[in-house]
Amino acid sequence: AQSVSQHNHHVILSEAASLELGCNYSYGGTVNLFWYVQYPGQHLQLLLKYFSGDPLVKGIKGFEAEFIKSKFSFNLRKPSVQWSDTAEYFCAVTSFSGGYNKLIFGAGTRLAVHP
Amino acid sequence: NAGVTQTPKFQVLKTGQSMTLQCAQDMNHNSMYWYRQDPGMGLRLIYYSASEGTTDKGEVPNGYNVSRLNKREFSLRLESAAPSQTSVYFCASSDPGRGQTEAFFGQGTRLTVV
Repeated sequence: AQSVSQHNHHVILSEAASLELGCNYSYGGTVNLFWYVQYPGQHLQLLLKYFSGDPLVKGIKGFEAEFIKSKFSFNLRKPSVQWSDTAEYFCAVTSFSGGYNKLIFGAGTRLAVHP
Repeated sequence: NAGVTQTPKFQVLKTGQSMTLQCAQDMNHNSMYWYRQDPGMGLRLIYYSASEGTTDKGEVPNGYNVSRLNKREFSLRLESAAPSQTSVYFCASSDPGRGQTEAFFGQGTRLTVV
């Protein structure tokens, strides 16, 4: 069965620090990969997505992610975080099985950015 | 553009009571999903519906039933609520057949079972 693993459950950073959140997935077929963000008290919003092509994907708010197929990884990065980036981040993968599309999430990484 | 709308936003139930969570989307998406979100466990798929008239179990279907009433609406029913079903529930939709595999989420329903 496919699964998504996020390495860090909690990350604490100071403003201007660089961020990298790890994500690995297990699935051998064609995948689409996503990072979602959930600000406190809100629903999930899409940060960025990878379908095909350039493995370095740029999203909103200065976030980017790199798809490394050989490592089954899709790590999220931001060069300089802000206090407003405090949120929970979820990696997700879709797989196509029997003509159906299922979206599976990792456990999430809670990021706290201190001023 | 409303996107995905869930009702209610908050609900408190007593153990054994039943209720239905409603979800509607106005994006003409074929696929709809119900997730529950619990601390440290991310979002877990309860049920999904790839298209109108079809439903399938996800990772944690026990204690739940769903109905895909039409293309727009996908409801989740708890027949006999248990404290273990205290959670935040999210409905989502997508349209992989048109290349839109990313999911759009509703605002969530915070359910407490006492």
